[in-house]
Amino acid sequence: GNSVTQMEGPVTLSEEAFLTINCTYTATGYPSLFWYVQYPGEGLQLLLKATKADDKGSNKGFEATYRKETTSFHLEKGSVQVSDSAVYFCALITYGNNRLAFGKGNQVVVIP
Amino acid sequence: DTAVSQTPKYLVTQMGNDKSIKCEQNLGHDTMYWYKQDSKKFLKIMFSYNNKELIINETVPNRFSPKSPDKAHLNLHINSLELGDSAVYFCASSAPWEAGASTDTQYFGPGTRLTVL
Repeated sequence: GNSVTQMEGPVTLSEEAFLTINCTYTATGYPSLFWYVQYPGEGLQLLLKATKADDKGSNKGFEATYRKETTSFHLEKGSVQVSDSAVYFCALITYGNNRLAFGKGNQVVVIP
Repeated sequence: DTAVSQTPKYLVTQMGNDKSIKCEQNLGHDTMYWYKQDSKKFLKIMFSYNNKELIINETVPNRFSPKSPDKAHLNLHINSLELGDSAVYFCASSAPWEAGASTDTQYFGPGTRLTVL
């Protein structure tokens, strides 16, 4: 089946620090990969996506590259802001499955 | 313009009651979903409808019954509410995954926080 693994635990960092959130996956078939963000008290928003190997998704300064050889889709941002504090979810879907498989999410807290 | 909307945003009720959550999308999508987010933020699919037809029905108690009156609406009715039903419920929608397309992006509503006392 499809599954997504995100690194354990919350991430706390200072403003302007570099952010990396690891995401690895297993999939039956060829997946499309997503990062969703959930700001406090809000719903899920699509942050970025990639649909084939070596594609780079980017949005709002965040980037993630679809790495088929390592089955990974790590999220990065070079300089975080307090407004980036949120929960970040890695997810995948495969053709014909219709089910988004989510990782457990990572709470990111950016301190001024 | 809200793409996927849900009502109500908050729902507080007593054990044993019956309640409904409504979802509407104005994106012209054919497929709609219900997801449940538990207290640890874990998200899991419950149901999916494509053009008013049920296509995904995960292992969910039969107290939960989705209803799709048309392809723009997917409602969730819950009978005999239990404490463990307390969660945030998200509706989502997506366009058809057409031949040759490479993705099936799902767009989520703002969520309904259900609290069962």
